[in-house]
Amino acid sequence: NAGVTQTPKFQVLKTGQSMTLQCAQDMNHEYMSWYRQDPGMGLRLIHYSVGAGITDQGEVPNGYNVSRSTTEDFPLRLLSAAPSQTSVYFCASSQGETKNIQYFGAGTRLSVL
Amino acid sequence: GDSVTQMEGPVTLSEEAFLTINCTYTATGYPSLFWYVQYPGEGLQLLLKATKADDKGSNKGFEATYRKETTSFHLEKGSVQVSDSAVYFCALGSSGDKLTFGTGTRLAVRP
Repeated sequence: NAGVTQTPKFQVLKTGQSMTLQCAQDMNHEYMSWYRQDPGMGLRLIHYSVGAGITDQGEVPNGYNVSRSTTEDFPLRLLSAAPSQTSVYFCASSQGETKNIQYFGAGTRLSVL
Repeated sequence: GDSVTQMEGPVTLSEEAFLTINCTYTATGYPSLFWYVQYPGEGLQLLLKATKADDKGSNKGFEATYRKETTSFHLEKGSVQVSDSAVYFCALGSSGDKLTFGTGTRLAVRP
C-alpha cells in the first residue's frame, strides 16, 4: 500500500509565486488534513476535509486554499508565496471513528526566498 | 481551548538508558491521548494511544498511562536503542475532528 503520497518532496519558490502541493491517499479515508511543521511550534492545522466537496479552516489557514473534488486527492494551494510560508508541510488522512489515528505523508519541504 | 505541553528537548541518552518524556494537557471533556513518532526524513506515525483515564498504551517497548488526576500522559521506555532516535509528539484528540499536537521532543540515543 502506498498510503499517503505527497509531491514534491522539496520546493524552492520566490516571493509572490504560486504553487500546489499534492496529496493523494489510497485508503479510501474520508478525513484529510494539511499541517505545517515549524521549529518549536509542533504541527499546526492549516485546512481539513471530512469528505469530498467539504473543506474547513484550521488554525493557520491564511494564504492557503484547498479543494476536495475526490476522496483520494486533497491539494494545497499557495496563492502568493511569502517567506513566512517556509516550512515543512504534511498531509494526513484518517477514517471514521478512528479519525484521530492519522496516517501521514513524508512531507514537502518548502523554502520561499 | 485544548493544549498540549511537552518537555523541551533535545534529550540525549546512552543506549539502554531509561527514557521519560513528559506530557501534560488541558482539555474540556474526555479526550483521547496519543504519542506520535517522527523518524528522520519521514512523516509522523502513531506510536501508542489511550482513550480513557487509567488506560495504558504500549508499543515497541514504549508505554504511557492516561492520568486524569494529573492531566498527564508521560512516555516511558525502559531501555532505549539507537534506532529510537526520533522526534516524539504528544497529541490530544477531542470530540471534534482535530488533533492538537505538542511541540515535539527530539531524542538522540548514543551507542
